[in-house]
Amino acid sequence: GIQVEQSPPDLILQEGANSTLRCNFSDSVNNLQWFHQNPWGQLINLFYIPSGTKQNGRLSATTVATERYSLLYISSSQTTDSGVYFCASWPVGGTSYGKLTFGQGTILTVHP
Amino acid sequence: GAVVSQHPSRVICKSGTSVKIECRSLDFQATTMFWYRQFPKQSLMLMATSNEGSKATYEQGVEKDKFLINHASLTLSTLTVTSAHPEDSSFYICSARDGPFAFGSGTRLTVV
Repeated sequence: GIQVEQSPPDLILQEGANSTLRCNFSDSVNNLQWFHQNPWGQLINLFYIPSGTKQNGRLSATTVATERYSLLYISSSQTTDSGVYFCASWPVGGTSYGKLTFGQGTILTVHP
Repeated sequence: GAVVSQHPSRVICKSGTSVKIECRSLDFQATTMFWYRQFPKQSLMLMATSNEGSKATYEQGVEKDKFLINHASLTLSTLTVTSAHPEDSSFYICSARDGPFAFGSGTRLTVV
């Protein structure tokens, strides 16, 4: 099945700093999402981005499907950005259709 | 976007009892829902795929008799942890997709 690897595993920032999180995936996938898990466990969808670039406020994401990686950019970080960031992918077809495979996550801590 | 509701958010039960967790798709119909388990400081692991009107599909290593799944309607899937033991204590999360995946807020189960 699909393997998803995230880096770095931990990231500590000072408020206002920028950061880049990376997600590598093993197979050609057609679907990829980035999530933020808040301290209460809720998974918030940040981007559905199988390819290309998207932006939403201070966050943006780029997926280069042909090279099997995706990047999440956080600019001007705030303490509320703290939490765990997951990328997850799933194939379009086959027996694993619809089954998300999660990376191990990046734990982000933003200090004031 | 799609909204998934999950209840209860937190439950404490005694060993040997059963606990039911509900997952609802609020603004869309979901023929398929997914149940995940998350241990502290770890990623999400898919437990089973819930199929409306048919049997659930369990991932390897997941005991189907312990984790009973029922998907009786297009908007409701339930996970029942039967004869719960302390090792079943965990964070359980459901999801469904209407385009991108959406997740419930999770259920923190503590078995004492």
